[in-house]
Amino acid sequence: DSGVTQTPKHLITATGQRVTLRCSPRSGDLSVYWYQQSLDQGLQFLIQYYNGEERAKGNILERFSAQQFPDLHSELNLSSLELGDSALYFCASSVYWGTGELFFGEGSRLTVL
Amino acid sequence: QKEVEQDPGPLSVPEGAIVSLNCTYSNSAFQYFMWYRQYSRKGPELLMYTYSSGNKEDGRFTAQVDKSSKYISLFIRDSQPSDSATYLCAMRNTGNQFYFGTGTSLTVIP
Repeated sequence: DSGVTQTPKHLITATGQRVTLRCSPRSGDLSVYWYQQSLDQGLQFLIQYYNGEERAKGNILERFSAQQFPDLHSELNLSSLELGDSALYFCASSVYWGTGELFFGEGSRLTVL
Repeated sequence: QKEVEQDPGPLSVPEGAIVSLNCTYSNSAFQYFMWYRQYSRKGPELLMYTYSSGNKEDGRFTAQVDKSSKYISLFIRDSQPSDSATYLCAMRNTGNQFYFGTGTSLTVIP
């Protein structure tokens, strides 16, 4: 158990809908990262937060947004969903400073029908 | 050119074999190097972490970093069927941004 918690584990929805994925980082970790992994593809970095502030953006679509709250949990909002958004969405956390290993949650599997 | 290059395989070996997994990178700013193991549809699990050139050993796993050649390796000794997974290399720069290889799929045949 990495200590990173993601909910929901599975989500099935229709095109055009909006969903919210939630992540609780490891205790003490201030930095949260979101990744997308489609079938047979590598991890695609979406966005990074540190202590509530956005720090880096990757290949995140404009239909997607995220935030990190004062209690350090983070949410990834996906709207106007398309079939191609079906993927595993991973949250990872890191202390940010020092050694800073990255620890992943078990992911949220999104299926868009 | 991608920041991190990793041979996707697939790699298939008999049980007990020594496995060698490799990544190359182009950015000298990478300071920290990691290997993750990912079972199908599960979250990546951190296996090895190192920040210096040389070898680091943990049980059957050895991580090797050659910063001068921008090359990292993971060796698995006495491979087991339970080692069958996708192995991802990852690197972190001083700005706390992580870069991942695409992963190598490994199957260990009993």
